[in-house]
Amino acid sequence: QVQLVQSGAEVKKPGASVKVSCKASGYTFTGYYMHWVRQAPGQGLEWMGRINPNSGGTNYAQKFQGRVTMTRDTSISTAYMELSRLRSDDTAVYYCARETYYDYIWGSYRYSDYWGQGTLVTVSS
Amino acid sequence: DIQMTQSPSSLSASVGDRVTITCRASQSISSYLNWYQQKPGKAPKLLIYAASSLQSGVPSRFSGSGSGTDFTLTISSLQPEDFATYYCQQSYSTLRITFGQGTRLEIK
Repeated sequence: QVQLVQSGAEVKKPGASVKVSCKASGYTFTGYYMHWVRQAPGQGLEWMGRINPNSGGTNYAQKFQGRVTMTRDTSISTAYMELSRLRSDDTAVYYCARETYYDYIWGSYRYSDYWGQGTLVTVSS
Repeated sequence: DIQMTQSPSSLSASVGDRVTITCRASQSISSYLNWYQQKPGKAPKLLIYAASSLQSGVPSRFSGSGSGTDFTLTISSLQPEDFATYYCQQSYSTLRITFGQGTRLEIK
């Protein structure tokens, strides 16, 4: 069965960096994009970007450009999200989510069918 | 970016009620609309994709409709396990995915 298992909670100081991992199992890792979504305490969902595990190509939300780096290690079926220059408002639960798609004549519908359990990142001095 | 606006932001209902949540996009997104359910402390769960397609394993009391800019999620008969927060998500712009702000469904 498909599983996405994320690394544990982190506590960081402002200005530091954090790297969250997401280990995939139960499917061909390189066959599906991986997205990263975050959720601040009591707030909604915010898309951060995605990585193509096959090519390593990335697309980042404009808000995070220059601060986020998404990478992968295909040998261990793991995706990573690194966020630098942390601020207190980066305190959030960070999720990885697999993108799957449904092809139809005009294109593809894309959606996240499996999610990691989330990683709480706390930024505090 | 495409803005997604859900209404209401919160809703109180009883077991057995029929509930409808709406989601409006700031521009036409065809049927590139997904719905997720999230319970406290848990990851979101996919309910509906492509506006009206039920994800495998999701109870048939959930349904989605709409296209263009206006979409609805309907729960035909609320069950105790349905009390959660619901989010719509547009995937029309796959490089700039956006979510609605969420609708919290509470027990009356």
